[in-house]
Amino acid sequence: KAGVTQTPRYLIKTRGQQVTLSCSPISGHRSVSWYQQTPGQGLQFLFEYFSETQRNKGNFPGRFSGRQFSNSRSEMNVSTLELGDSALYLCASSAGDRLKETQYFGPGTRLLVL
Amino acid sequence: GENVEQHPSTLSVQEGDSAVIKCTYSDSASNYFPWYKQELGKRPQLIIDIRSNVGEKKDQRIAVTLNKTAKHFSLHITETQPEDSAVYFCAASFGNEKLTFGTGTRLTIIP
Repeated sequence: KAGVTQTPRYLIKTRGQQVTLSCSPISGHRSVSWYQQTPGQGLQFLFEYFSETQRNKGNFPGRFSGRQFSNSRSEMNVSTLELGDSALYLCASSAGDRLKETQYFGPGTRLLVL
Repeated sequence: GENVEQHPSTLSVQEGDSAVIKCTYSDSASNYFPWYKQELGKRPQLIIDIRSNVGEKKDQRIAVTLNKTAKHFSLHITETQPEDSAVYFCAASFGNEKLTFGTGTRLTIIP
């Protein structure tokens, strides 16, 4: 089975712009979670989608949003980018309908905001 | 609120010695505790996990222990090897709905 894939792998944007990141889960997985990884903060939970519905949300501002399609692929959008949004954005998929199933991570999208 | 504290933030051990990383969590309802290993430039990968109905789990050189009363769990790596060098993250599930991660431990194995 192919693993979790994310596109693009690298992205450079300027402040005020918006960005959309994509995540394709492992075939058959229905849950997709998104995380922001920064050197000082570790992995911070953004949100989780299951069957096209946002089931959980972390403590991020409304500029961060996402969605999931019927094929379980998910997108994450960040509007009005700020310098502090520079980070590695990871998505993870799991097979079950609970987050205590094993999560498999994608390679991440490294976003740099100038 | 949900919180997972992880210590130490960096750890260096001689090859062949043991390494221990500890995490504490705030929500007594947490019931799933995975550990992830992230090598430089790579994605996090699950190395071992434990559920709340078990006190210890082992997989070759890796073991995890859980103390629900004290709300802490630990990762033990024995007979460390150079390929064990990586950043390790603990996590805990809160309300059965989402994982909260610790801030990571950078483990360096000294040859």
